[in-house]
Amino acid sequence: DAGITQSPRYKITETGRQVTLMCHQTWSHSYMFWYRQDLGHGLRLIYYSAAADITDKGEVPDGYVVSRSKTENFPLTLESATRSQTSVYFCACAGTSNSPLHFGNGTRLTVT
Amino acid sequence: EDQVTQSPEALRLQEGESSSLNCSYTVSGLRGLFWYRQDPGKGPEFLFTLYSAGEEKEKERLKATLTKKESFLHITAPKPEDSATYLCAVQPMDDYKLSFGAGTTVTVRA
Repeated sequence: DAGITQSPRYKITETGRQVTLMCHQTWSHSYMFWYRQDLGHGLRLIYYSAAADITDKGEVPDGYVVSRSKTENFPLTLESATRSQTSVYFCACAGTSNSPLHFGNGTRLTVT
Repeated sequence: EDQVTQSPEALRLQEGESSSLNCSYTVSGLRGLFWYRQDPGKGPEFLFTLYSAGEEKEKERLKATLTKKESFLHITAPKPEDSATYLCAVQPMDDYKLSFGAGTTVTVRA
């Protein structure tokens, strides 16, 4: 199916564990983004990427790692999960630098 | 740092009761202002992009307008299916990232 997909849809993990959230898009869009959404804060940018092997830190990057070895994939890794990282995570992509973002349906992560 | 403030946080409307949502922003040179709609359990869905003060865009019962400091999303004669959270985002001239406001949750009662 064409579009942008995130997996898993739901994830429960324990404090201190490493967890990777996957994001895959079929459009070969250059630009990809990771946001987290929390009540009262809205969407906050974690990391973004303009192309394969190019990534930049967003507003809240601490505790997260990203990679972009292929244009279509942009995984987000929590190296050692903390309860404060309990959130809904959204991946998005865009074809050009000023195109609207297309969002996935999110991953709801709970850290116990 | 780019800042986006949306008001009100929540809006309850009767079907047919028109209203407006506000998005105030601070950005060092605006490349674009974006409006999105988000339904529960889903990712945001693109509605409009506005690029310069005075610009207006319309889609069905929604109309977005832009000034140098704020944008409004007008909902005319809303229906229950317009119930959603509406998000505003700004993109600065010197970067491609988008900074989002916290959103306005609109509930339209039949």
